[in-house]
Amino acid sequence: EPEVTQTPSHQVTQMGQEVILRCVPISNHLYFYWYRQILGQKVEFLVSFYNNEISEKSEIFDDQFSVERPDGSNFTLKIRSTKLEDSAMYFCASRFRGDYNEQFFGPGTRLTVL
Amino acid sequence: DAKTTQPPSMDCAEGRAANLPCNHSTISGNEYVYWYRQIHSQGPQYIIHGLKNNETNEMASLIITEDRKSSTLILPHATLRDTAVYYCIVRVATGGGNKLTFGTGTQLKVEL
Repeated sequence: EPEVTQTPSHQVTQMGQEVILRCVPISNHLYFYWYRQILGQKVEFLVSFYNNEISEKSEIFDDQFSVERPDGSNFTLKIRSTKLEDSAMYFCASRFRGDYNEQFFGPGTRLTVL
Repeated sequence: DAKTTQPPSMDCAEGRAANLPCNHSTISGNEYVYWYRQIHSQGPQYIIHGLKNNETNEMASLIITEDRKSSTLILPHATLRDTAVYYCIVRVATGGGNKLTFGTGTQLKVEL
C-alpha cells in the first residue's frame, strides 16, 4: 500500500540553525500539507500546497518557514532560524484530488531545538 | 468550520464495540463529518467520513443523526491496537487548501 514517508525521523539542532524536513508524498497525489504537534498539544495546520504554490497557511507559518517541491517527488519544509518553540513533531500529508478525499499522513519528524 | 465536542476519554473492552460520540450542533448543510485517529504520536490516520447517510468501511461505521447535529463512530470489535486518540472534524468539502482542524479528540483505551 502506498504511503507518505518522512526523513529524518528525528532531527536535533541548535537554536538559530536552519533545518529542512523532507517528505515523499504518495506518487499520484496533488495536494500537500505540513502540520505540527507540540508535545501534549493538538495537531496544528501549517500550510497547504498545490500546483507549485501555497494555497493556504496558518499564522504559525511566518517568514521563518518555507515549503518547496524541488522535483516530482519530494516536498520539503524549511525553517530558516530555529527557535526553542519550534520543537515539535512535524507531519507531512498528501491528498489525491477532489475535495472529499482523505489526507494521508506520514510518520512524522521529531524536531528538537536545543 | 463547525465546532465539535467529544468526551475526553473512553474505555472499551477488547472484542466489544466502541461507540465514540461527537456533537456538532452548528454544522452547516455543506459540511462533512470526518473521523481520524492518532495512535501514540504517529501521524493521524483517516478512518471515515460522511455527509448525512450512514457510512461503513472496513475500519468502522459512521452513524449521523437525522438532524446532523451529532454522530457516532463505531468500531465493531475493538482490539488493543485501536487504542488511540479519535478526532471528529467537521469541514466543508470545497474551498481553500482543505486543511484539517484538529481538536483534542477522545482518548480511547481498549483493555483486556
